[in-house]
Amino acid sequence: QQPVQSPQAVILREGEDAVINCSSSKALYSVHWYRQKHGEAPVFLMILLKGGEQKGHEKISASFNEKKQQSSLYLTASQLSYSGTYFCGTDGAGSYQLTFGKGTKLSVIP
Amino acid sequence: DGGITQSPKYLFRKEGQNVTLSCEQNLNHDAMYWYRQDPGQGLRLIYYSQIVNDFQKGDIAEGYSVSREKKESFPLTVTSAQKNPTAFYLCASSMKPSGRIGEQFFGPGTRLTVL
Repeated sequence: QQPVQSPQAVILREGEDAVINCSSSKALYSVHWYRQKHGEAPVFLMILLKGGEQKGHEKISASFNEKKQQSSLYLTASQLSYSGTYFCGTDGAGSYQLTFGKGTKLSVIP
Repeated sequence: DGGITQSPKYLFRKEGQNVTLSCEQNLNHDAMYWYRQDPGQGLRLIYYSQIVNDFQKGDIAEGYSVSREKKESFPLTVTSAQKNPTAFYLCASSMKPSGRIGEQFFGPGTRLTVL
């Protein structure tokens, strides 16, 4: 089942902060975050694993609440380059595939 | 340079024709994936393969077929049975750390249009 992302879209001014949420109705083993710019391929940002392990870019911050089956991506002091659509992907125990949410479109303006 | 390539970038097909999308990687990754992207729908998994000569259906496999004869190649065939094939198709690959899903590297995509 597809995870639900919120908000669907957000507009920020440079320097502002944003939080993107990802929620699943099933137990999760990991949550993955990707960013896609218009017309380009998605780019990996972070993996959060059950048990607290995280792997990703140093400047990206995220959390994973295993009990609530939720993850949040924190974008601080936003830059114009942060613009794009952010996708979370989830996988449950015994699964070897990611199920992606519909995405959150982030626009950073000067 | 290591990476993942897809060809062609744009593809036009007449209704009733089969078409094959190419995906090649030189990252020595074991796992490969095919996703379909429609506006506002996110990425939906068509097929995936964790090892040569083995692949599994994803959420929307109907009307598609794949093969994995070589580690570096995972072509996708869109058959005439796919009722609405116009979409952006993305191929990805990843290592398999401890059998789990690792960071996925995506190709540039193929935009398929059915005329």
